[in-house]
Amino acid sequence: DVKVTQSSRYLVKRTGEKVFLECVQDMDHENMFWYRQDPGLGLRLIYFSYDVKMKEKGDIPEGYSVSREKKERFSLILESASTNQTSMYLCASRAYNTGLSSYEQYFGPGTRLTVT
Amino acid sequence: LAKTTQPISMDSYEGQEVNITCSHNNIATNDYITWYQQFPSQGPRFIIQGYKTKVTNEVASLFIPADRKSSTLSLPRVSLSDTAVYYCLVGRGSSNTGKLIFGQGTTLQVKP
Repeated sequence: DVKVTQSSRYLVKRTGEKVFLECVQDMDHENMFWYRQDPGLGLRLIYFSYDVKMKEKGDIPEGYSVSREKKERFSLILESASTNQTSMYLCASRAYNTGLSSYEQYFGPGTRLTVT
Repeated sequence: LAKTTQPISMDSYEGQEVNITCSHNNIATNDYITWYQQFPSQGPRFIIQGYKTKVTNEVASLFIPADRKSSTLSLPRVSLSDTAVYYCLVGRGSSNTGKLIFGQGTTLQVKP
């Protein structure tokens, strides 16, 4: 089974702190994604990476940066956390399913971040 | 970018067939349509994906008309455990993909 793990399920940080959210996948997937999920807004894409050291902005990249130094690891960085970044953060990786002839995204369990 | 629109919520009863429709009027030629299921405190789980016509797997069916401006997820004989949020996703199937767009999600409540 594909496993996507995230470093923490729950995290509480103070305003202004630098926050690192780590995501690791064990299936050698090229594509990895970071989303945030908020009530009434669904999932919104922050950044994605289609290969090591490659990244592209999603819909809401402001206030975030990412790092992909190794294929299995994709980090989301909040340079200076703010209260409006309190949210559920979901990491995903993607692979091509030859049986379905299509792509599938596999999500991690999520990190619920609270910024006070 | 192709945005999606789906009903915010739906109710059903155990044993019934549930159809959830997603509108994506600006879908691009190389976009796929994917549906995910999400339970509380979990990440979304892939259900089904299609490009055109009909796709069926052990969990659901996906109907896509010829113009591809909408799609319908069909869940046969739902049970209480199918209570979840269902997301319609439109995006490209290539590796160097463009942005992927999730709909707002449809909260399905299955009643006994």
